[in-house]
Amino acid sequence: SQKIEQNSEALNIQEGKTATLTCNYTNYSPAYLQWYRQDPGRGPVFLLLIRENEKEKRKERLKVTFDTTLKQSLFHITASQPADSATYLCALHTGGFKTIFGAGTRLFVKA
Amino acid sequence: SQTIHQWPATLVQPVGSPLSLECTVEGTSNPNLYWYRQAAGRGLQLLFYSVGIGQISSEVPQNLSASRPQDRQFILSSKKLLLSDSGFYLCAWSVGFEGSEQYFGPGTRLTVT
Repeated sequence: SQKIEQNSEALNIQEGKTATLTCNYTNYSPAYLQWYRQDPGRGPVFLLLIRENEKEKRKERLKVTFDTTLKQSLFHITASQPADSATYLCALHTGGFKTIFGAGTRLFVKA
Repeated sequence: SQTIHQWPATLVQPVGSPLSLECTVEGTSNPNLYWYRQAAGRGLQLLFYSVGIGQISSEVPQNLSASRPQDRQFILSSKKLLLSDSGFYLCAWSVGFEGSEQYFGPGTRLTVT
């Protein structure tokens, strides 16, 4: 079955450093991969979408890479700030109108 | 601009009682609509999606059902709640191509006692 894995351990980094989150998947070749931010008790917020033919996508301090050979996406936040502390979800388009979500990685940025 | 509403925000219901959660979207036409459930520390589980009025696709066998009586209204229901129905229920919408990004509502926290 299709599987999507994100590091279940929280990531703790110092303000100003670059945070790197990993998303690995198996048994599928998604045409699109998305990243979302979720704050406690709130709905996820869309951040970035990357297509299978794109290696990298940037938006302000955010960067996403998509390696279809490794079946992996990396999500980077540069110059991180305490306000970036949240859970970040990876999501794969699996066909039709279906998207599967990872459980997310919690990020804590210390001032 | 587009907005999505869900209500109620929180709900505590006894086992065996009925359920009705409502989701409405403003500012867009013919959206794709989705219902997800999120258990604590888990990913989002797709329950239902709809690409048009009266068109519902179910992803997980359960005692829940969904309806789309109007273009921008999506309802999640149950005749008899189970303890395992507790969770955070999220409605989302998307437009455009099949893998396009989704926009989520604020969610409903359901506790079945």
